[in-house]
Amino acid sequence: KNEVEQSPQNLTAQEGEFITINCSYSVGISALHWLQQHPGGGIVSLFMLSSGKKKHGRLIATINIQEKHSSLHITASHPRDSAVYICAVGPGNTPLVFGKGTRLSVIA
Amino acid sequence: DAGVTQSPTHLIKTRGQQVTLRCSPKSGHDTVSWYQQALGQGPQFIFQYYEEEERQRGNFPDRFSGHQFPNYSSELNVNALLLGDSALYLCASSPRQGSFGQGTRLTVV
Repeated sequence: KNEVEQSPQNLTAQEGEFITINCSYSVGISALHWLQQHPGGGIVSLFMLSSGKKKHGRLIATINIQEKHSSLHITASHPRDSAVYICAVGPGNTPLVFGKGTRLSVIA
Repeated sequence: DAGVTQSPTHLIKTRGQQVTLRCSPKSGHDTVSWYQQALGQGPQFIFQYYEEEERQRGNFPDRFSGHQFPNYSSELNVNALLLGDSALYLCASSPRQGSFGQGTRLTVV
């Protein structure tokens, strides 16, 4: 079993839909990261969470430390949101453990 | 305030050659981690540098080496390049590795 599990692996949505991507982890962490990667592109850090909830524009990230679970929500999705979304966790400065990513396609 | 910067952005090398990739961490960050992301895969940890020393290392051969300078910038060197070294190389700076560079895409032909 992977230490970081993401679901779904692939997701296709219509423009305007509300999207949720889930991440469950089994290791102890000090922070959880949500990352975005466009095809052929580098990684952009969206959020770094250690508790609660963060919001940036149409993106919302939540984490439940007790349940070892985090969700990334996208409101009013747009085709430019199409990308791979990656969850990564780490207990401090030790190597991050990455999920396999969720490939999101938003269709106009 | 610049984030993490990596150079070059793209690079093509021939098998057997050597390559050096560079990373400047975000201002105030003193720890640099390097990751390799092969096509269609998640990033894999190569090593981490702190106070100019390699602090941790992943499962990569000795052909992969690094260095950190007093200004916290870092280099990743790969010797005797193989086709399988073709990947996106990512640099992350700490605290808690919250900042990533855009990566260097290395193609070995």
